[in-house]
Amino acid sequence: GENVEQHPSTLSVQEGDSAVIKCTYSDSASNYFPWYKQELGKRPQLIIDIRSNVGEKKDQRIAVTLNKTAKHFSLHITETQPEDSAVYFCAARNYQAGTALIFGKGTTLSVSS
Amino acid sequence: KAGVTQTPRYLIKTRGQQVTLSCSPISGHRSVSWYQQTPGQGLQFLFEYFSETQRNKGNFPGRFSGRQFSNSRSEMNVSTLELGDSALYLCASSLAGTRTGELFFGEGSRLTVL
Repeated sequence: GENVEQHPSTLSVQEGDSAVIKCTYSDSASNYFPWYKQELGKRPQLIIDIRSNVGEKKDQRIAVTLNKTAKHFSLHITETQPEDSAVYFCAARNYQAGTALIFGKGTTLSVSS
Repeated sequence: KAGVTQTPRYLIKTRGQQVTLSCSPISGHRSVSWYQQTPGQGLQFLFEYFSETQRNKGNFPGRFSGRQFSNSRSEMNVSTLELGDSALYLCASSLAGTRTGELFFGEGSRLTVL
């Protein structure tokens, strides 16, 4: 089955810096890669996603890149703000097999002002 | 539009007991999946249901089971509880049949096993 590895497990940056979180997946049939943000004590929420037919997607300060050959995808946050502090999870899915997601173990991002 | 509702929110059990958790998906969502969240292990997939049928199952022992009813509400059951079952159990619903199928999570049921 699918396995998703995520690095780093913790990341500390200064406000205004950029943050990058990287994930690799094992199943070449996976074709959908979302990123979820979970603030302390709250439920995970989707922040951005990318499908396998796209190499990059941006939404304001957030971008995701996908390298299908290397089975690697990354989340990039620019101009970080204290409210970006949270746990970020990458995930992968083969949407032809269902809606279940296989998640990485998460990255705790801390943005200090 | 109401979100995903999970009950109970908190519960304490002792080893050997069993527990049943409930999840009501967003109206119109027919797919429900369950995840176990523990510190350091992230979100681990338990199972997924669609139209009362289990479509996928994660790598958990048979003590973990679930079902889905005709109104899409879902329950999961854990029998013969162990200390390691202490976790936040999250339910998520989605519109099945879509290519992206964003998952909408509930607030979770926090289980403590003593």
